[in-house]
Amino acid sequence: GQNIDQPTEMTATEGAIVQINCTYQTSGFNGLFWYQQHAGEAPTFLSYNVLDGLEEKGRFSSFLSRSKGYSYLLLKELQMKDSASYLCAVSPKATNAGKSTFGDGTTLTVKP
Amino acid sequence: DGGITQSPKYLFRKEGQNVTLSCEQNLNHDAMYWYRQDPGQGLRLIYYSQIVNDFQKGDIAEGYSVSREKKESFPLTVTSAQKNPTAFYLCASSSPSGRIQYFGAGTRLSVL
Repeated sequence: GQNIDQPTEMTATEGAIVQINCTYQTSGFNGLFWYQQHAGEAPTFLSYNVLDGLEEKGRFSSFLSRSKGYSYLLLKELQMKDSASYLCAVSPKATNAGKSTFGDGTTLTVKP
Repeated sequence: DGGITQSPKYLFRKEGQNVTLSCEQNLNHDAMYWYRQDPGQGLRLIYYSQIVNDFQKGDIAEGYSVSREKKESFPLTVTSAQKNPTAFYLCASSSPSGRIQYFGAGTRLSVL
């Protein structure tokens, strides 16, 4: 089976940096997704990590350690629009992204 | 523009009624998925289809049914057997590599 843990809520200040952690215990692992979901809207893809290490994409970076079952999403220069839920999801198989198991999400509130 | 269209945006179901949620995509993706999201929780897989005329149960298929007669369309029926249907329903498709998943805007289903 799959078990994914991430903090329920986080708060940060505009312009700051925040790190959202995700730990997982899975029977199969191919890669880890991060999605952003604003309230009442669909999730949007942020990143997909397959190999260990840090991948940077503008203000957002994602890190993966397969041996530790650990990932984090790093958001820099926070903006008010970054207030959203961030979902971590583990993909068990390379060609079947939709069979991913999702964590419950971390609700990030950015304050002025 | 390429994407996934879900309709309706809001849907109300009466007791004992079956309702059908529409999902159409023009991304030419083979794989399509239906998820359910309850407040404060992540996404749970209801059904998925990797090719036309074939579909598989996900983690919470009881009380739901699907069809996949055309590549572009993957409708979900919430049957009267689903006793707690109130939720946000998301349809998705994934790219051939399986690395990215695209979501529709969602349908919010409530019980009258």
